Amino acid sequence: QVQLVQSGAEVKKPGASVKVSCKASGYTFTSYYMHWVRQAPGQGLEWMGIINPSGGSTSYAQKFQGRVTMTRDTSTSTVYMELSSLRSEDTAVYYCARVGSTSCYAYWGQGTLVTVSS
Amino acid sequence: EIVMTQSPATLSVSPGERATLSCRASQSVSSNLAWYQQKPGQAPRLLIYGASTRATGIPARFSGSGSGTEFTLTISSLQSEDFAVYYCQQYNNWPRAFGPGTKVDIK
Repeated sequence: QVQLVQSGAEVKKPGASVKVSCKASGYTFTSYYMHWVRQAPGQGLEWMGIINPSGGSTSYAQKFQGRVTMTRDTSTSTVYMELSSLRSEDTAVYYCARVGSTSCYAYWGQGTLVTVSS
Repeated sequence: EIVMTQSPATLSVSPGERATLSCRASQSVSSNLAWYQQKPGQAPRLLIYGASTRATGIPARFSGSGSGTEFTLTISSLQSEDFAVYYCQQYNNWPRAFGPGTKVDIK
């Protein structure tokens, strides 16, 4: 069965960077794009970007351009999302999500809470 | 960029009653619209895709309708486990966009 297992919670200071991982199993890693979605406390869902695990190409939401980098390691079936220049507004749960047979998110990681606080 | 809106923000319903949630897109998304359910502390769960197709394992009391810019999620008879937040999401255009959510709580 498809599983997406994310790294643990992080606490960072303003201005720092955070790197969240998402390890995939139960399917061919390079066959499906991976998305990242975040959710601030008590707020809705916000799409951040997408990575093609096969070639490594990426596309980011305009809001995060210049601050986010998505990478992958095919040897471990893991994708990474790094967000830099953190500010308090980046405090959120970050999810990796994979589409199913359609282009919507059938599979989600458990989420990683990133807290930005001085 | 497509903007998704949902109404109402909160819906108070008694168990066994029907709930009707609305979602609107700022421009046509054809039938490329999904609905998700989210409970506190959990990741979202896909309920409906293609505006009206239930995802695997989703009970028949959940149904979706609409196309273009107007969509509806109906829960025919609310069960205790259905009290949650529901999000719509368009996957017709980039960037992907979610609505702000409708919270369904107990009346």
